Amino acid sequence: ILNVEQSPQSLHVQEGDSTNFTCSFPSSNFYALHWYRWETAKSPEALFVMTLNGDEKKKGRISATLNTKEGYSYLYIKGSQPEDSATYLCAPSSNTGKLIFGQGTTLQVKP
Amino acid sequence: KAGVTQTPRYLIKTRGQQVTLSCSPISGHRSVSWYQQTPGQGLQFLFEYFSETQRNKGNFPGRFSGRQFSNSRSEMNVSTLELGDSALYLCASSLGGTHSTDTQYFGPGTRLTVL
Repeated sequence: ILNVEQSPQSLHVQEGDSTNFTCSFPSSNFYALHWYRWETAKSPEALFVMTLNGDEKKKGRISATLNTKEGYSYLYIKGSQPEDSATYLCAPSSNTGKLIFGQGTTLQVKP
Repeated sequence: KAGVTQTPRYLIKTRGQQVTLSCSPISGHRSVSWYQQTPGQGLQFLFEYFSETQRNKGNFPGRFSGRQFSNSRSEMNVSTLELGDSALYLCASSLGGTHSTDTQYFGPGTRLTVL
C-alpha cells in the first residue's frame, strides 16, 4: 500500500452542519480500512474497521461507507458539534496488519 | 482495563545520543506497533512486534530498532540521534490475532526533541 490520500486537508464548519471527508487508497490487495479520530493532546481513538465492499458503519452521529472496488471510503458527521473537532485519519491495512495512515482531515467546528 | 502507557512522555536529547522509549500494552494484547508522527509526514509506521518477534517493518534506517519482552512490553531505541528524529512517537497495542482487522489502541506518545 503506497498512496493513501485524504481530502480535504482541513475543514471549518459551523455547529449543526453536516460534513463528509474522503479517503482514497489503492484498490488492489485490499484487506481492511481503519478510521481513527485524533483530538488534540489525546491519543488516536479507533472509530471503525471496515472490510467488505459496500460496508456501512455507524457510531452515533458518525458513519462511514466503503468502496473497495474503486478504492475509497467516506466518513460522514451529521450535525457537527464542537467536540467533533479533531483530525480524522484513515488507514488501510495490509494482510500482515501494517497500517498505512493518510495525512488526515482536520475538522474545526465553530460554536 | 488500563490503557496503553508510554514512558517517558517528554524527552530532550542532543544529536549523536541514543534514546530508549518504553510502551506497556493493554493487558492481554500481544502485538505492539510503533509510529513516528512529524508535521510534514503524518503518522509513519516503524515496526510491529508480536510474541517477542518483529512481524512487520516500515522504511526507517537501522538506527531505529525495537524489542518486545515476554510480558508484551516493548521498547524502541534510536541510536545516533539526528535533528530530524524530533517527533512524537506513538505505540499501539492490539490482540494480534487476525492481523488486518485488529483494532489498534494508541498510547499518549513520547515527545522527543533532538537539539
